[in-house]
Amino acid sequence: NAGVTQTPKFQVLKTGQSMTLQCAQDMNHEYMSWYRQDPGMGLRLIHYSVGAGITDQGEVPNGYNVSRSTTEDFPLRLLSAAPSQTSVYFCASSYSGEAFFGQGTRLTVV
Amino acid sequence: RKEVEQDPGPFNVPEGATVAFNCTYSNSASQSFFWYRQDCRKEPKLLMSVYSSGNEDGRFTAQLNRASQYISLLIRDSKLSDSATYLCVVNTGLGGWGKLQFGAGTQVVVTP
Repeated sequence: NAGVTQTPKFQVLKTGQSMTLQCAQDMNHEYMSWYRQDPGMGLRLIHYSVGAGITDQGEVPNGYNVSRSTTEDFPLRLLSAAPSQTSVYFCASSYSGEAFFGQGTRLTVV
Repeated sequence: RKEVEQDPGPFNVPEGATVAFNCTYSNSASQSFFWYRQDCRKEPKLLMSVYSSGNEDGRFTAQLNRASQYISLLIRDSKLSDSATYLCVVNTGLGGWGKLQFGAGTQVVVTP
């Protein structure tokens, strides 16, 4: 059982480049979320989805887009990377209070 | 003010000792509470839910104080493997289960 699969694990981008972080879950969960984790800040919610076709902004949505065309997939797009987006990104799918996380993407923007 | 606040630690604990720490939350309408564990450079994983009556899971005891808006975690008979960062997590119910509020974490270091 794969759970939540998140790719890539590591990425280096140049300022201004765009990219998509992939997230897929095989647990048929309705809720999926993207968080970023920075030292001393904890996990901050970027965007979340309550089901296919429905997304909403979290605490720090600027510079990121999401879509949810299927229950399984919830990609995160960085539109024009900035050094402030250097962080560890986690995708999660949730059911009844328990969030299952992907292994994370360590993104560096230079 | 952050929605969920934790003492970052580190709490240095001798093996076999007891350690306890709290987490405060600002939204009195918060409905569900959890403790997650995160090992260095790994993803967070659910440790336990926190119920109003308090609950215990082996060496771990969690309690909720709604009046003072804090939750606590107590670890008895600490093991070296308990070294990790413990994340306090709160759900206000807005946005369903997709909108969890995480504290910044409390680091626990268990020493031989």
